Amino acid sequence: QKEVEQDPGPLSVPEGAIVSLNCTYSNSAFQYFMWYRQYSRKGPELLMYTYSSGNKEDGRFTAQVDKSSKYISLFIRDSQPSDSATYLCAMKKGSGNTPLVFGKGTRLSVIA
Amino acid sequence: GAVVSQHPSWVICKSGTSVKIECRSLDFQATTMFWYRQFPKQSLMLMATSNEGSKATYEQGVEKDKFLINHASLTLSTLTVTSAHPEDSSFYICSARGQGEVGELFFGEGSRLTVL
Repeated sequence: QKEVEQDPGPLSVPEGAIVSLNCTYSNSAFQYFMWYRQYSRKGPELLMYTYSSGNKEDGRFTAQVDKSSKYISLFIRDSQPSDSATYLCAMKKGSGNTPLVFGKGTRLSVIA
Repeated sequence: GAVVSQHPSWVICKSGTSVKIECRSLDFQATTMFWYRQFPKQSLMLMATSNEGSKATYEQGVEKDKFLINHASLTLSTLTVTSAHPEDSSFYICSARGQGEVGELFFGEGSRLTVL
């Protein structure tokens, strides 16, 4: 079993839809959880991160962590065509220099 | 967030030549930088960890003589693909760890290498 599992998609939704992107993980030692967005032929861009369980909201994006289920989610409200990208989850066990473990990424297409 | 600049963004070279890719942290010092490789529609594959002033640490299966990494200053790491072959064609991305407590990674724009 891989440490971080993420459905690669592709996921296609109409403009304005609520998008739910998810990752599961096996190692309960993970404490920091991040979401990156990667446009085609570009480097990943950090969207947001959360520490331990709970929710964090930033504009149309909400990150949710459920440590009891080892499940994290990224919700995108009022999705736009410009949200079309690959979204990668990533997590690490501690702060500072501990390694970041990535999911494979989910390709999202928002259709106008 | 921190800014990481990568250059060149796109390079085409002949088989057998060497190509150097630069990665710079523009507004912070990065003692550690990371080099990734990404094939089309695949996730990031960590190649090596670049440490300022010391030798890079390579992941299993990555040839250190093929992919030379130099981290001579706190703001610059370079990846040189030596004697490039068509199978080395890929998207190479560098990243640097932020200075905050969390240590999240900030990525460069990536460099697309095509070897003819």
